[in-house]
Amino acid sequence: EAQVTQNPRYLITVTGKKLTVTCSQNMNHEYMSWYRQDPGLGLRQIYYSMNVEVTDKGDVPEGYKVSRKEKRNFPLILESPSPNQTSLYFCASRRSSYNEQFFGPGTRLTVL
Amino acid sequence: TQLLEQSPQFLSIQEGENLTVYCNSSSVFSSLQWYRQEPGEGPVLLVTVVTGGEVKKLKRLTFQFGDARKDSSLHITAAQPGDTGLYLCAGNNAGNMLTFGGGTRLMVKP
Repeated sequence: EAQVTQNPRYLITVTGKKLTVTCSQNMNHEYMSWYRQDPGLGLRQIYYSMNVEVTDKGDVPEGYKVSRKEKRNFPLILESPSPNQTSLYFCASRRSSYNEQFFGPGTRLTVL
Repeated sequence: TQLLEQSPQFLSIQEGENLTVYCNSSSVFSSLQWYRQEPGEGPVLLVTVVTGGEVKKLKRLTFQFGDARKDSSLHITAAQPGDTGLYLCAGNNAGNMLTFGGGTRLMVKP
């Protein structure tokens, strides 16, 4: 089954404790993105990647890092999480810039 | 950053009513997508419109892309409880960014 998977689905952590949210897709897509979703703000792009070793900042990259060492994986790293990073995070992938974007199930992160 | 404004933000209607959701921007987009998101899940693509003035129909849903490719609308005819959800528009520029609107939360009561 074609899908985007994220782990963990839920995470409660404390300020400053480094964490990684994994994302994997099995569709051989070139493009992958990370979004955060906050009430009233819709989905805001954090980082995106056009291919292996090619990443670029989205609208809200501060406090986040990403890497794309393999085509299928695109982890999101929070080196020192802060409470304002409490949000619902989605990973997504698509074949090209004009194609349908497939979203993962989301990761609900709470930073205390 | 290109902005997409959706209206209304919230909409609560009775089953059988018609409704229209709007997505507006001052920027031109090469294409525009509409997604629907249900609680606990990621958004799922409904349609992509590419040509200015384009109209696409998906059963009771009609999508229109503005002539200038700056705005779009989603019209639902005879809404049903199963249409309940968060509707998101997303504009694609010539680059690789997909900009999302704030969403319209629709509730259709039986």
